[in-house]
This record gives sequence, C-alpha cells and structure tokens, in this order.
Amino acid sequence: DAKTTQPNSMESNEEEPVHLPCNHSTISGTDYIHWYRQLPSQGPEYVIHGLTSNVNNRMASLAIAEDRKSSTLILHRATLRDAAVYYCILRDTGNQFYFGTGTSLTVIP
Amino acid sequence: DAGITQSPRHKVTETGTPVTLRCHQTENHRYMYWYRQDPGHGLRLIHYSYGVKDTDKGEVSDGYSVSRSKTEDFLLTLESATSSQTSVYFCAISDTGVNTGELFFGEGSRLTVL
Repeated sequence: DAKTTQPNSMESNEEEPVHLPCNHSTISGTDYIHWYRQLPSQGPEYVIHGLTSNVNNRMASLAIAEDRKSSTLILHRATLRDAAVYYCILRDTGNQFYFGTGTSLTVIP
Repeated sequence: DAGITQSPRHKVTETGTPVTLRCHQTENHRYMYWYRQDPGHGLRLIHYSYGVKDTDKGEVSDGYSVSRSKTEDFLLTLESATSSQTSVYFCAISDTGVNTGELFFGEGSRLTVL
C-alpha cells in the first residue's frame, strides 16, 4: 500500500510560488515527513523534512497539517532548475524510507 | 557531495546470469539502502542494512540478496537475472538519528537483462 499520495504532475510559471501537495493519511505519530527531488538522470536529493511544525530552509518550506495527514512543499519562486520529480516520503522509526511515484514539476518560462 | 560510488554504472547481461552491484561509501554512515526505479513505480526499496552483517528486506526483495561485510560496502546480488529486473538501481546511505538522517543517493546503476 502506498504510504503517500501525490499528483502525477504539476505546472508552474517561472518566478511564481509552487505548492506541491502530499497526502499521508496513515502516518504514525513517529513518522517524519521528508521531501526529495530528482533531476533527470540523477539520484534523488534531499530537500527538507519535518515532524509536526512547519520548516523552512534555503531551498523550500514545508507546511504540515495540524492532523499530520497532509503536507505541502512550497517553492517560493520557481526557477527552470526546479523542474524535477518531487517525492514526499515517510521515514519510520525503523529508518526505512518509502517513496511513492512523485510529482513531476514543469516550470514554464 | 556525499561520498557514494556505485559500480558498475551500466551493465548488460543475459537472462540467468548472476549479477552483483556494489555500493561503496566513505561517510561511515550506518544505514545503507538499495532501491530500484522503474517507470510508473517511482523508487521501491529492495533491501537495506542497519549495520555490518545486519540486513532486512524491503518492498520488492524477491530475486535479490544483499551482503554487508564492511561498513563501507553494500552488495546487491541477482543470483539469476531475469528481464523483469531490468531497471535503474540506486544505492543510498543515511546516518543514525531519526531527526537528522537524510538520505544521500548514488548516481545509479543501469542494468539491462536481455
């Protein structure tokens, strides 16, 4: 069973904010929410992670719903370099990371 | 960049032959993972290791075995390769600590089984 659900694809105009949603309705209280992105022909790279509170770093922001059953990755100003597949995953206490199929983000110049 | 090296990066083999993929890290991280990536399936966990000689199965472990005799090396073996194992294989590593342990990925190994 998929642990996270994301839209298959999204589009954004360059220099506009992007909100990438993720549903994880079966999340347990100790699961961390991680986001990774994968550029073409590369391995995934870490973007951000959180447990309960919203998180910010230089790449993005992570907004976590109060019930933790959903989260949103926010790219404040999309650039062409942000075109990638974005994965929302859960990390459990056993240190396993479960990926879904991700959201393919297209950035329109 | 995290020191992760996968070898070989590309391999073409025939059905029924054994194949071993190697993942080597220089970060001394405790956890190591093997994923496969196929169109429409995203990344799926094959096996992972939480220490030397400590391994466990992931979501799609049938047909694969792993070994970790040293902290730095994690081997993935296909005892008898099948065409369904044609895929891109990624190794990843993670440090301990649930709050700090992000995944670092290698560049991938593309395997084609004819």
